[in-house]
Amino acid sequence: NAGVTQTPKFQVLKTGQSMTLQCAQDMNHEYMSWYRQDPGMGLRLIHYSVGAGITDQGEVPNGYNVSRSTTEDFPLRLLSAAPSQTSVYFCASSLGGGPDYNEQFFGPGTRLTVL
Amino acid sequence: SQQGEEDPQALSIQEGENATMNCSYKTSINNLQWYRQNSGRGLVHLILIRSNEREKHSGRLRVTLDTSKKSSSLLITASRAADTASYFCAPSGGYNKLIFGAGTRLAVHP
Repeated sequence: NAGVTQTPKFQVLKTGQSMTLQCAQDMNHEYMSWYRQDPGMGLRLIHYSVGAGITDQGEVPNGYNVSRSTTEDFPLRLLSAAPSQTSVYFCASSLGGGPDYNEQFFGPGTRLTVL
Repeated sequence: SQQGEEDPQALSIQEGENATMNCSYKTSINNLQWYRQNSGRGLVHLILIRSNEREKHSGRLRVTLDTSKKSSSLLITASRAADTASYFCAPSGGYNKLIFGAGTRLAVHP
């Protein structure tokens, strides 16, 4: 299994540009989520999904969109990039199905810089 | 949503010493998880302790849980330089969504 994969690893955008961060998992996990981590800080939850077709907002959803058309993929879209969105973005997944199955597996991250 | 608060924010020790970090939370939980993050990388799950458990071991890791005090501790025995990382706790109310705190930054010096 490849686990959780994220592309790209690095990205530089100009203010106002849009882009999609890709996340995929091959573990047949129902639950997927996106976090951002600013320097020296913890992770903040952006959006999450409990299954294909179902998404919900986390702590800091503004400026980001998500969709979940398949179990495997959970892309994160930046609509109009702003310097405040400069961060490292992590995607995570878990099996779902209850409290004994919510160990999360993380991708390697995408480092995004917005100029 | 559940969120844990780790304490201390930073910890610096010598190789061979034990490292203890604490986590406090505010509402009832089904389980509490600890994760490690090496610099610039994704979090890695270390251990999960259920609400009806008081102590759990995994290798050099020992986790305790006191639900009456809404607190947990992670003990790393005989620390190594490779244990240098940030450590996060994630209390879970039974749902899949996990909220992470700021973490404890552990530095283990050779």
